[in-house]
Amino acid sequence: QVQLQESGPGLVKPSETLSLTCAVSGDSISNFYWSWIRQPPGKGLEWIGYVYHTGNSDYNPSLKSRVAISLDSSKQRFSLSLTSVTAADTAVYFCARYFETNTGWYFFDFWGPGHLVTVSS
Amino acid sequence: DIQMTQSPSSVSASVGDTVTVTCRASQDITTFLNWYHQKPQKAPKVLIYAASILHPGVPSRFVGRGSGTHFTLTITSLQPEDFGTYYCQQGFRSPQTFGQGTKVEI
Repeated sequence: QVQLQESGPGLVKPSETLSLTCAVSGDSISNFYWSWIRQPPGKGLEWIGYVYHTGNSDYNPSLKSRVAISLDSSKQRFSLSLTSVTAADTAVYFCARYFETNTGWYFFDFWGPGHLVTVSS
Repeated sequence: DIQMTQSPSSVSASVGDTVTVTCRASQDITTFLNWYHQKPQKAPKVLIYAASILHPGVPSRFVGRGSGTHFTLTITSLQPEDFGTYYCQQGFRSPQTFGQGTKVEI
């Protein structure tokens, strides 16, 4: 069973950088897409981006200028960096695996429990 | 971006009822449509992918249909554990986008 666990600060000051890490266990981090998704309190889900095990990445255009996702295969983890944060970035941040079936379908199959990050001075 | 619109935004139902949630895409996404269920303070769980394929372990009372721009998720014989919020998500084109959610209250 694949397990994911987010970690990082729960409070970030405005204009600073939000940094989170997702530890993956139960399967190799190779050969999959690894995503970050966020959910503001009481609101819906927003895809932030993903990184492939090769290091290739794709980001939501709404955040692309501020976001970077990296992967460390040797440590079985991947990370999120979001710069110049504002109160609008306050959310629960989920890491998730974006799985591809052998018939070409994609979906988020394993998720971390989520990590609340509050942006406030 | 492809916009996903769900209806209704919330629904109240009783155990044993049948509930249908609708999801509409702003453009043709063929069958690149997934459904998730989220309970409060928990991560979402995938129910259905490719519009109609049940993820392993998901009960058969969950049925997904549709293609193109119109999709439905039907829950027959509603159970107490089915309360929560349901989201559709398109995987046809980046950025992956979600519907705003449908809250099912038992």
